[in-house]
Amino acid sequence: ETGVTQTPRHLVMGMTNKKSLKCEQHLGHNAMYWYKQSAKKPLELMFVYNFKEQTENNSVPSRFSPECPNSSHLFLHLHTLQPEDSALYLCASSQVQGANSPLHFGNGTRLTVT
Amino acid sequence: DQQVKQNSPSLSVQEGRISILNCDYTNSMFDYFLWYKKYPAEGPTFLISISSIKDKNEDGRFTVFLNKSAKHLSLHIVPSQPGDSAVYFCAASDGGGTSYGKLTFGQGTILTVHP
Repeated sequence: ETGVTQTPRHLVMGMTNKKSLKCEQHLGHNAMYWYKQSAKKPLELMFVYNFKEQTENNSVPSRFSPECPNSSHLFLHLHTLQPEDSALYLCASSQVQGANSPLHFGNGTRLTVT
Repeated sequence: DQQVKQNSPSLSVQEGRISILNCDYTNSMFDYFLWYKKYPAEGPTFLISISSIKDKNEDGRFTVFLNKSAKHLSLHIVPSQPGDSAVYFCAASDGGGTSYGKLTFGQGTILTVHP
């Protein structure tokens, strides 16, 4: 069982809907991330939060809005998405520093935008 | 412009033999490299890593080799087992010890180990 839990596992939404993806980590980490995997593309970093503060926004469109209320929870609010935003969205956590703290991923949310 | 490349989309190996997965990178600032394994319907799981100050790291059946001059790393699995069948991702970081989570990933190689 993964120490990073993502809900929902699957989501279908229309282009005018508003939805949120949720992530929770039980590993005591202090950094959390959103990654995206589109079809036939590598995983791409979207956002990084260190100690609840956003430290990286990898040129992500504003229709994706992250929120990190504490070091254990991370949300991705979705609004007015496009069909090309359909992808697997993966949450991950790690320690901010330390060579022996690789990313731990959740199982992802498979998003389909219709 | 892909900075981490896995040029083999798939690899098929007989059980008990060696599996060799390859990865090339272009960014000379990368100083930490990782391999992740992913089963269907699951997130990637960390397998093994190597710092740029080393050229080899071993963990049980898994060994990662780094050739900095060639900007190439490889993952060796010996002996291969059917349970190793998964997608393997190579990833790299230029965090210098503070941003190990900011990874650049390759596209993945599907490994199939036949009984």
